[in-house]
Amino acid sequence: EAGVVQSPRYKIIEKKQPVAFWCNPISGHNTLYWYLQNLGQGPELLIRYENEEAVDDSQLPKDRFSAERLKGVDSTLKIQPAELGDSAVYLCASSPGRSSAETQYFGPGTRLLVL
Amino acid sequence: AQSVTQLGSHVSVSEGALVLLRCNYSSSVPPYLFWYVQYPNQGLQLLLKYTSAATLVKGINGFEAEFKKSETSFHLTKPSAHMSDAAEYFCAVSVAFLGNTPLVFGKGTRLSVIA
Repeated sequence: EAGVVQSPRYKIIEKKQPVAFWCNPISGHNTLYWYLQNLGQGPELLIRYENEEAVDDSQLPKDRFSAERLKGVDSTLKIQPAELGDSAVYLCASSPGRSSAETQYFGPGTRLLVL
Repeated sequence: AQSVTQLGSHVSVSEGALVLLRCNYSSSVPPYLFWYVQYPNQGLQLLLKYTSAATLVKGINGFEAEFKKSETSFHLTKPSAHMSDAAEYFCAVSVAFLGNTPLVFGKGTRLSVIA
């Protein structure tokens, strides 16, 4: 079974440029998560989807970040414009259902460097 | 809101020695507790989880953790360290109350194994 796929794996951009990250969850997983992981820190939730509905986006900086999961499968996270402080690893995860007890399966992440 | 504290950002052990990674949680309602491992340039992988069944939880790769409510702890142990155990370990907490709540991660503990 294929795991969570993310692309690109690495991205270097200049500040004020836009950037987008793509995630394809494990087949059949209805819940999808985007996390931000700063250097030396644990992941922090940005947004959670149940199917195509964003059910928790309270930590997403909506002035510059946006996300979509139009068909309830793959998802895109966008930053526009990027700032120096956005340099981090962006992780995508998925789980079969919505229970807090469920295991989340993580992709390898996209490492973003903003110059 | 729930939180997790991991004591020690870096732990170093000799190959064959006991591994002990400490995690204390804070939650006003019964928690679900998780340990994830992250190898360099990879996503997080579940080691084990406590979801209110047995308090001693066995996971993959010989790891186990014990839920101690009186101490609000969920320490991770392994009797004998192997070189391949060198990685970053994250403790995380969520709760069952009010449906799916966010998974809150600690800052992580880097485990080094010395030959």
